[in-house]
Amino acid sequence: GESVGLHLPTLSVQEGDNSIINCAYSNSASDYFIWYKQESGKGPQFIIDIRSNMDKRQGQRVTVLLNKTVKHLSLQIAATQPGDSAVYFCAETLYSTLTFGKGTMLLVSP
Amino acid sequence: KAGVTQTPRYLIKTRGQQVTLSCSPISGHRSVSWYQQTPGQGLQFLFEYFSETQRNKGNFPGRFSGRQFSNSRSEMNVSTLELGDSALYLCASSFSTSGPTDTQYFGPGTRLTVL
Repeated sequence: GESVGLHLPTLSVQEGDNSIINCAYSNSASDYFIWYKQESGKGPQFIIDIRSNMDKRQGQRVTVLLNKTVKHLSLQIAATQPGDSAVYFCAETLYSTLTFGKGTMLLVSP
Repeated sequence: KAGVTQTPRYLIKTRGQQVTLSCSPISGHRSVSWYQQTPGQGLQFLFEYFSETQRNKGNFPGRFSGRQFSNSRSEMNVSTLELGDSALYLCASSFSTSGPTDTQYFGPGTRLTVL
């Protein structure tokens, strides 16, 4: 498949573990944040979003936490599965555009 | 409902040529954004169109341009191609009436290789 990024931070976990992917965003004025998952050869796929008036939001097996004090975003994946292996990007709205982080590669071993 | 489609999926061009990429958004979506993805720079915003008008623009040279048609389909054009333009070009669509703060849904991308 096509590589979506080289020299990305990598998180390696075992199947069934909980995974935590972190992201530092750049602008304290950002008001909307999204996590995307990108598998090799595919476009980014929406996972979960959160607005700045919240500090936590849960989805199916995923939770996003927002800490505005330190401009930090995290994505927690419960019971990680091999199918979760991908590159994960956080994105923030900044000056009416989405700005993406560099991404983290998640590798899940059976 | 069909997702965002992009054509062609792969393209090989030589330096100096120009290229046009096409994007069909999800039915009902009026906003289309374009991004360039490279290993070194990651995902970078090119521009966003809404109702046939460019609403936002990223920090790319004028060789990169786009347009949107009345059916919300969009094209982007790159003129005088350079080796550094080799990248995955992604299109994303959303309902958005107020800017790209609504969820954007991405297509599979067009892989452009410039030789």
